[in-house]
Parts: sequence; C-alpha cells; structure tokens
Amino acid sequence: GESVGLHLPTLSVQEGDNSIINCAYSNSASDYFIWYKQESGKGPQFIIDIRSNMDKRQGQRVTVLLNKTVKHLSLQIAATQPGDSAVYFCAENKVWTGTASKLTFGTGTRLQVTL
Amino acid sequence: DTEVTQTPKHLVMGMTNKKSLKCEQHMGHRAMYWYKQKAKKPPELMFVYSYEKLSINESVPSRFSPECPNSSLLNLHLHALQPEDSALYLCASRALTGEQYFGPGTRLTVT
Repeated sequence: GESVGLHLPTLSVQEGDNSIINCAYSNSASDYFIWYKQESGKGPQFIIDIRSNMDKRQGQRVTVLLNKTVKHLSLQIAATQPGDSAVYFCAENKVWTGTASKLTFGTGTRLQVTL
Repeated sequence: DTEVTQTPKHLVMGMTNKKSLKCEQHMGHRAMYWYKQKAKKPPELMFVYSYEKLSINESVPSRFSPECPNSSLLNLHLHALQPEDSALYLCASRALTGEQYFGPGTRLTVT
C-alpha cells in the first residue's frame, strides 16, 4: 500500500539556523506533494508544493527538494524564526476523479525553535 | 484570497444531540473536503465533494452526514455521536492546480 512517513517526530533548532524536515514516501506513482504547517489550534496552512517533474522548488525562506530515486522529500527553512514553531506535514496528492483528489498525510514533525 | 471559513469554532454536544458544522469558501473551487484530526495525529480524509456531488466517502459511519448545498458551502450533519468522535473537524477546498486550502477547524467535544 501507499504511505507517507517522516523520519523524526521532533526537531529542535536554534533561532537563525536552517531547518531540514524530511519525509519518505512509498508510492512511486505519486506526482504531486505538498508541505503544510499547522500551529496549535489552527488548521494546516499550505506552505509549498512540488510536482514530480521537478527536483527543487523555492519559496520565501523555504525550499522543497524531491528525490524520486529514493522517494524522499525534504523541506528546508532558512534562518528559522520562533514563528516557524509548529507541526509540519508532508502530503502526497493523488488525483481521483476530475477535480477530486486525495491527500495522504505523513505523521508530522514538530519543529521547536529555541532562542 | 485563500480563505476557508468554518463555524462554529467550538462545539460541545451530547450523544443524543443533532448539530451541524458549516464550511464556506469563495475561491471558486469545485472540490471540497471534510477531514477529522485527532490530537497529535495527521488529518484523516472523511468525504470529498466534486462539483457538488459526493465523490469519496472513506467508509465514514452514517452518524456523519455531509451535504453540499452549492459550490461555496459544505455542511457536516452530526447525529448520535460517540465520545470517540471528539476531534478537530477540518474543511478544505482544492484549486484546479492541486493545492488544498484548509479552514481553521471546528473543535468538537462529545459528552
């Protein structure tokens, strides 16, 4: 079956350092991946996405890398700030019918930013 | 604007009550979703509506009844829930380009 998993449940990073959150996926047919940030008591917030025909995509302070050979996805956050403290989920998107699709979420990584 | 709104923010209900959760988006998205999220767990898909028709039901118990009155609104009707149904209920909508945007959720407590 398909699954999306994360290597570390908790990541502690000092303010100003770069953060790297990893994710492994098992469905080689997956063609689209999304990273979400979820703060306590809030819904998941879209951060960045990447399609399988890309290896890298950059946003504001964030970069997503996709290695299809080893089915690995990572989210890099530059100059981590206290406001980045949250749980981060990777999600695999599978088109179902028309505009409908299913997201399969990884287990999540809690990022703790220390001062 | 990528806003999905949900009401109420918090809901406490007894096992014999009937209540409804509401979700709204005005981004023109034609796919809308209900997810359930337990503490310290990822969201789990419950239902998917595409063009106001139910496309996916992830074997959700019949005490949860979704409804999509129009392309902007999504409801989740609740009846005879169990304490284990207490969770954060998230609504999301999907753009044609694939991104799903989530609302803030309704925190449901069943007593």
